[in-house]
Amino acid sequence: QKEVEQNSGPLSVPEGAIASLNCTYSDRGSQSFFWYRQYSGKSPELIMSIYSNGDKEDGRFTAQLNKASQYVSLLIRDSQPSDSATYLCAVNINDYKLSFGAGTTVTVRA
Amino acid sequence: DVKVTQSSRYLVKRTGEKVFLECVQDMDHENMFWYRQDPGLGLRLIYFSYDVKMKEKGDIPEGYSVSREKKERFSLILESASTNQTSMYLCASSGTVNQPQHFGDGTRLSIL
Repeated sequence: QKEVEQNSGPLSVPEGAIASLNCTYSDRGSQSFFWYRQYSGKSPELIMSIYSNGDKEDGRFTAQLNKASQYVSLLIRDSQPSDSATYLCAVNINDYKLSFGAGTTVTVRA
Repeated sequence: DVKVTQSSRYLVKRTGEKVFLECVQDMDHENMFWYRQDPGLGLRLIYFSYDVKMKEKGDIPEGYSVSREKKERFSLILESASTNQTSMYLCASSGTVNQPQHFGDGTRLSIL
C-alpha cells in the first residue's frame, strides 16, 4: 500500500466551480499535512498546511483533515484558469521526511 | 519568505562526468533534501540531511552522494553521470519537526 494516495485525475472543472481533491494516507501517527501546487515545468509551491482535525480556510482554498478516516482534502472555490496545475498532497512520515502523493492534475476550463 | 536557491536551472553534461548540484537556503533550516522528479514517477527522495555533516539515504541513493559542510548548503554529487540520471532535480529545506518543506526552482539536468 502506498503511503499517500491521491485521486488520480485529471480533473477538469469549469471556471467558477469548486474543485475537490482527495488524499488518503496509511500512517496513523502522521501529524502534519500539506498541499503543494506545481505548475508545469516549475517546482512545488506550498499552498496549505493543516495539523488538526477540521477545516482550514485560506482565501479560495480550504483544507479538510479527518485523522480518524486518514483523509485530507483540498477544495478550490471559484476556480480560475490560473489554478490549472498539479496538486500534491504530502504527509509527514517521521520528524524530517514527507511522503508525497503522485499528484492530481486540475484543468480549469474558461 | 524562505529562499532556497539552486545553482543552475538547466545543465547539460556527458556520461561519465562528475556532476555537482548546489543548493543554498537562507532560513537557518536544519533539514535539507534532494529529490528527483520524473513523469509518472512523482517525487523521489535521493538523500536528506538533518544537520551539518549528517546525511541519510532516501529511496533512490544509488549513483549519488551528498555533502553538507555548512548548515545553509547541501550539495548533490553524481559520481559518474549516466543517461538514466537525466531528470528534474529539486532541493528542499525545512525547519523544526513537522514543518513543511520549501523547494528551490529545480535543476533540469540532461546527461548526453
